Amino acid sequence: EAGVTQFPSHSVIEKGQTVTLRCDPISGHDNLYWYRRVMGKEIKFLLHFVKESKQDESGMPNNRFLAERTGGTYSTLKVQPAELEDSGVYFCASSQLSSGTGELFFGEGSRLTVL
Amino acid sequence: GENVEQHPSTLSVQEGDSAVIKCTYSDSASNYFPWYKQELGKGPQLIIDIRSNVGEKKDQRIAVTLNKTAKHFSLHITETQPEDSAVYFCAASKGYSTLTFGKGTMLLVSP
Repeated sequence: EAGVTQFPSHSVIEKGQTVTLRCDPISGHDNLYWYRRVMGKEIKFLLHFVKESKQDESGMPNNRFLAERTGGTYSTLKVQPAELEDSGVYFCASSQLSSGTGELFFGEGSRLTVL
Repeated sequence: GENVEQHPSTLSVQEGDSAVIKCTYSDSASNYFPWYKQELGKGPQLIIDIRSNVGEKKDQRIAVTLNKTAKHFSLHITETQPEDSAVYFCAASKGYSTLTFGKGTMLLVSP
């Protein structure tokens, strides 16, 4: 069974440009999370989807970030326009709604570098 | 909101030694405490977790202890091996809601 996949693995853009990150969760997982880790700091929560609905987006830094999950399958996270402080590794994680455990399955992350 | 502090930020041990990583949390309502291991180039992976109704849990060479009164929990790795080298993250949540992570500990096990 395929794990959580993220694309691209690494993106280098200039300040002011736009980047879209994609996450394909494990098939059948209704919960989808986006997290971000800035170098040396904690893995910080951005938002949580349950199927196609945003359950919690309290961690989104500002309105330059837009997440979607059309059809409740894959999700995209768009940053527009990108700023220097947006650099970091963006992780996507998924879990089953009714698994009875709290285990999150993470992708390998998308490293974003804003120059 | 919840705040999780993790120490140390880096830890170097010799193969065969034990390693201990400590975390504290701020929200007394938190009751789920997982530990994730991130190997180079990979995403974090759950290695062990504990709920607040128990004080200790073991799985082979790894164990987690929880002190609810003091609001701290620790990861213990015995007989460390080079393949234990990774970044370890602790986390806390209420039930299975959104996890709050610590800053991570880079563990290096030297042969």
